[in-house]
Amino acid sequence: IAGITQAPTSQILAAGRRMTLRCTQDMRHNAMYWYRQDLGLGLRLIHYSNTAGTTGKGEVPDGYSVSRANTDDFPLTLASAVPSQTSVYFCASSGDSQTDTQYFGPGTRLTVL
Amino acid sequence: GQNIDQPTEMTATEGAIVQINCTYQTSGFNGLFWYQQHAGEAPTFLSYNVLDGLEEKGRFSSFLSRSKGYSYLLLKELQMKDSASYLCAFTDSNYQLIWGAGTKLIIKP
Repeated sequence: IAGITQAPTSQILAAGRRMTLRCTQDMRHNAMYWYRQDLGLGLRLIHYSNTAGTTGKGEVPDGYSVSRANTDDFPLTLASAVPSQTSVYFCASSGDSQTDTQYFGPGTRLTVL
Repeated sequence: GQNIDQPTEMTATEGAIVQINCTYQTSGFNGLFWYQQHAGEAPTFLSYNVLDGLEEKGRFSSFLSRSKGYSYLLLKELQMKDSASYLCAFTDSNYQLIWGAGTKLIIKP
């Protein structure tokens, strides 16, 4: 079944540790996105990629990095996790970066202690 | 600047009709989306409006007025499974989605 997968489903992490959240899509979508969702706030864009080999910063990029080596994968790395990065992280993809509908992965619930 | 606003929570009765409003302010606008999100799950696409007017899709309809910076999602014949959060989001001049905080809809029997 085509779609987006994320791993891990959930993770508890000690502050200061490095963590990579994985995202893979098999829809051959050009654009991919990473959001965080916190209670009472809308989804906030962390980083995005309009096509393989390119990435851009969203609204809240500090403390996060991404890479887009190929069309299917878009990992998000926290170099040194802090408690304020406790959140639910969603990966999404769309056909292109314009007005195509974004399709979301199931999310990763991350707790930083 | 740009912002987007929707009610935090609404309650409705099974079988009834509910309208969820969304207002936005932005200097550049390229369309408005509505998504549904059940608790603990990912958002799923409901509708997209780029022109003024009403888009109907089964029990769900979405309306847009670009001049007023206003949209609403209309849900008819409410079912218990419609209990969820409803997120509106507009596409700005950079084609990035700006999201509202979501409206939690509670359906009572």
